Amino acid sequence: NAGVTQTPKFQVLKTGQSMTLQCAQDMNHEYMSWYRQDPGMGLRLIHYSVGAGITDQGEVPNGYNVSRSTTEDFPLRLLSAAPSQTSVYFCASRTASSGANVLTFGAGSRLTVL
Amino acid sequence: GESVGLHLPTLSVQEGDNSIINCAYSNSASDYFIWYKQESGKGPQFIIDIRSNMDKRQGQRVTVLLNKTVKHLSLQIAATQPGDSAVYFCAETPGGGYNKLIFGAGTRLAVHP
Repeated sequence: NAGVTQTPKFQVLKTGQSMTLQCAQDMNHEYMSWYRQDPGMGLRLIHYSVGAGITDQGEVPNGYNVSRSTTEDFPLRLLSAAPSQTSVYFCASRTASSGANVLTFGAGSRLTVL
Repeated sequence: GESVGLHLPTLSVQEGDNSIINCAYSNSASDYFIWYKQESGKGPQFIIDIRSNMDKRQGQRVTVLLNKTVKHLSLQIAATQPGDSAVYFCAETPGGGYNKLIFGAGTRLAVHP
C-alpha cells in the first residue's frame, strides 16, 4: 500500500513549456485533489475530483487542467508554464464515505519555471 | 526536501513544555476544521479534527479548541517533543460540503532540548 504517489519530485521548466504532474493512489479513494503551496500562503486548492469523469475547480484553477479517467490517477497539466506557477504541488485523496475531509497527501512535487 | 515556508510565524518552546498554536479562520459558515502537521520535505499529515457543534476535542497529547464567537481555533500539544517540530496548518471547510478545504498560512513550531 503506497498511499499517494507523485511524480516527478522535482522539475525545471522554461516559460511556455508544458508538462504533466502525475498523481496515483492505491487506496480506492473517490476524491482526489491538487494543491499548490507557496511561502507564507499555506496550501491553495487548484482542482478536485469526486470520482472518475468528474472534476471541478478550486481556488486557483487558472493555468491548470485536470482529468480523471480512472479512480487511481489524477494528473495535473500545465499547458504553458509561467514563472507564477513556480511552487510546490501536492496531490491528496480521501474516501468519499468518510463524511469528513481527512486527506492523505503525497510527498509533493517542486516545480520551478524560469 | 521541499521548503514549507520562509516567512511563517514561529513558536519556540522547550522540550516538555505545552505548546499552543492559534488560528483565526475566515468563514463564519465553516462547519468542520482540521489541524495538519507538515514536516520538512513531506506532505501534510492529519492530526485532529473538530466539527462546529463541538468546542473541544482531545486526542493523544493534542487538544483542539474551537471558539465560534470569535472564529478562533487552537491546537494544544502536551509535553512537546522534538518530533513535534514542524509547520502546523489549520484548515476549514466552508459550509455546504467537504469538497473544498481552505488552509491557513501555517505556524512553525520549533522545539528546543
